[in-house]
Amino acid sequence: AQSVTQLGSHVSVSEGALVLLRCNYSSSVPPYLFWYVQYPNQGLQLLLKYTSAATLVKGINGFEAEFKKSETSFHLTKPSAHMSDAAEYFCAASGGGADGLTFGKGTHLIIQP
Amino acid sequence: KAGVTQTPRYLIKTRGQQVTLSCSPISGHRSVSWYQQTPGQGLQFLFEYFSETQRNKGNFPGRFSGRQFSNSRSEMNVSTLELGDSALYLCASSPEVAAGTEAFFGQGTRLTVV
Repeated sequence: AQSVTQLGSHVSVSEGALVLLRCNYSSSVPPYLFWYVQYPNQGLQLLLKYTSAATLVKGINGFEAEFKKSETSFHLTKPSAHMSDAAEYFCAASGGGADGLTFGKGTHLIIQP
Repeated sequence: KAGVTQTPRYLIKTRGQQVTLSCSPISGHRSVSWYQQTPGQGLQFLFEYFSETQRNKGNFPGRFSGRQFSNSRSEMNVSTLELGDSALYLCASSPEVAAGTEAFFGQGTRLTVV
C-alpha cells in the first residue's frame, strides 16, 4: 500500500524567496507521483506529475519537482514565490491500479509580503 | 472543454437523512473517482467507476455508495447521515484507467450535517 508524507503542515516564505515543499512516499516500487494545488473553496488543480520519463519534472506556474528514488522523495520547488502561490498543496501517489490516489495531509503555503 | 461539474456546490442535511451528490465528468472521460476531504483525515479515496462498473472502494462504511451511468455521469449516495460525514466531497474524472493517468477534479460539494 502507498503512503505519502508531507513534512510541515504550514510553510511560510517571503515573496520572491525560494519555495520548497517536502514530500516522501513509501512504496515497494516507485509509484506515479503528483502535486496538486487547492485554492480556498476550490477543487484540486494538477501542478505536475512524475511517471518515470524524467526525474526532474516541470509543471505549471513555474513549479518543478525532482524524483529521488534513493531518498523516496518528490519535493516541490519554485525559485521565486509570488503572492498568488498562497494555497494548499497536496502530494499524491498512485500505484497504477484501481486504488485511487493516496494523498499526503497537505501543506499550507503562506507568502509574506 | 468544460471541466468536471459537481452539483450541488453546498448542502445542509440533518442527521439520519440521506443525500445524493452528482458529478458530470469531462466529455470523453470514462473514469470517475470520488474523494472525501475533511480537516482531520485529509483526502480519502471513496470509490472509482469505469464504464458503469465500480473498480474499487476505499475504507468507508456501506452507507456510502455510488453508481455510474452510461454517459459516464456519476452519483454518490450517503444514507443515514452522521455529523462526521460533514466534508467536502470531490469528484475526479480521467480519460482512462491506465497507470499514471492524471485526474481532473471538480470544485466539490460541501456537505454539512447538522
